[in-house]
Order: sequence, then structure tokens, then C-alpha cells
Amino acid sequence: AQKVTQAQTEISVVEKEDVTLDCVYETRDTTYYLFWYKQPPSGELVFLIRRNSFDEQNEISGRYSWNFQKSTSSFNFTITASQVVDSAVYFCALSRTSGTYKYIFGTGTRLKVLA
Amino acid sequence: DVKVTQSSRYLVKRTGEKVFLECVQDMDHENMFWYRQDPGLGLRLIYFSYDVKMKEKGDIPEGYSVSREKKERFSLILESASTNQTSMYLCASWGGQGGNQPQHFGDGTRLSIL
Repeated sequence: AQKVTQAQTEISVVEKEDVTLDCVYETRDTTYYLFWYKQPPSGELVFLIRRNSFDEQNEISGRYSWNFQKSTSSFNFTITASQVVDSAVYFCALSRTSGTYKYIFGTGTRLKVLA
Repeated sequence: DVKVTQSSRYLVKRTGEKVFLECVQDMDHENMFWYRQDPGLGLRLIYFSYDVKMKEKGDIPEGYSVSREKKERFSLILESASTNQTSMYLCASWGGQGGNQPQHFGDGTRLSIL
């Protein structure tokens, strides 16, 4: 069975602090995709990144970085120098590489960045 | 950019009513999805469709049905609304191959059943 765990329900940081959001996944598939989405207060889910299981390189995009470690089944997301606009709920998701491509979502982490 | 439009941002209905939630995408995607989002439970898949008139149950289909008469439109139907269907509903579309493209989401509909 596939499962995604985001153990941090809510995190509060002060602006300019760094923060890491954890994502741990379970799958029996040898190939799969992992995603991060952001849900601001307005409600829509905004796609941030996709990573396939073959690629364990870390990714950096501006203040955002992602650390994929297959050995620990983790795909963690770090925001450097957080800003108030980063306040949102962040979801990690897992999908297969064949079949119906359904997403399995984690329960989300609410990030509050305080000014 | 892909645009997924949900017909209502907020909706209030009464118990027992038949409720329609509409979703339209503008990218000719074959696959469309309906999720509900509840605190502490994340997003759960209700139904999805991989082609016109084709549908499959997701993880929590009970109490819901769907309709896909045209490729761009995917409707979620609450046959007889109940208070436990009060939730945030999100529609998504996807047109990729091999799962490597992200799903694109609408703004969501906050549905309250009184």
C-alpha cells in the first residue's frame, strides 16, 4: 500500500528563519513520482516541484530547496529566509508511474510565518 | 497555463438536496479528478475520469456520483446531501503521460450542508 506521512501538523516561525517541512512516504513500487504543492489561504493548490524516483539530486529554486533521500524514503522541503507570503498549507504527494496515476496525499503541514 | 475553473467558491445547501459541483478545464486534458479536503485528513480522491463518459471510483465514493459528458467538464453530484459532506472540494485535471506531469487544481468549492 502507498502512504505519505507529514508528521508536522503546524509550524510557526518568525520571518527570515529557515524552516524544513518533512515528508516520509511508503511504496512497494520501484519507480514513482513525488510532488510538493502549496495551498495559500485563497484555496487553490499550486504545484511546486516533481521528483522521480530515479533522480536523487537535491533541487534548489530560489529560497526553496528539496532533499530527496531514497534510503530513508523522505522528500523534505526547506524554505530559507521565510517570508510572510510563505504562510500556507503544504502538501506532499506520491504517484505511480503507470496505471491510473492517482495521487496519495499527505495530511499537509500548515506553515505560519510571523512578521 | 492550465486553467481549471470550479463554478462556485462557496456554496450552502440543505440536507437532502441534490447538489452539483461543476469543473471545467481548458487544456483538453483527458484525466480529471474530484477530491475532498478535510482538516487532518488531507486530500482524498472521490472519483476520477480518464475519458468522456468514463469514470472510476476513488477512495471515498460513497454518497457521490459524477458525470463527464464533455471532455472539458467534470461534474460531482451529491445525490442527497448530508451534513457529513460539508467540506472543501477540489477539482484537478491532468494530461501527462507516465505520471510525470503534475495535476492542476481549481480554486476549490467550500460546501456547507445545513
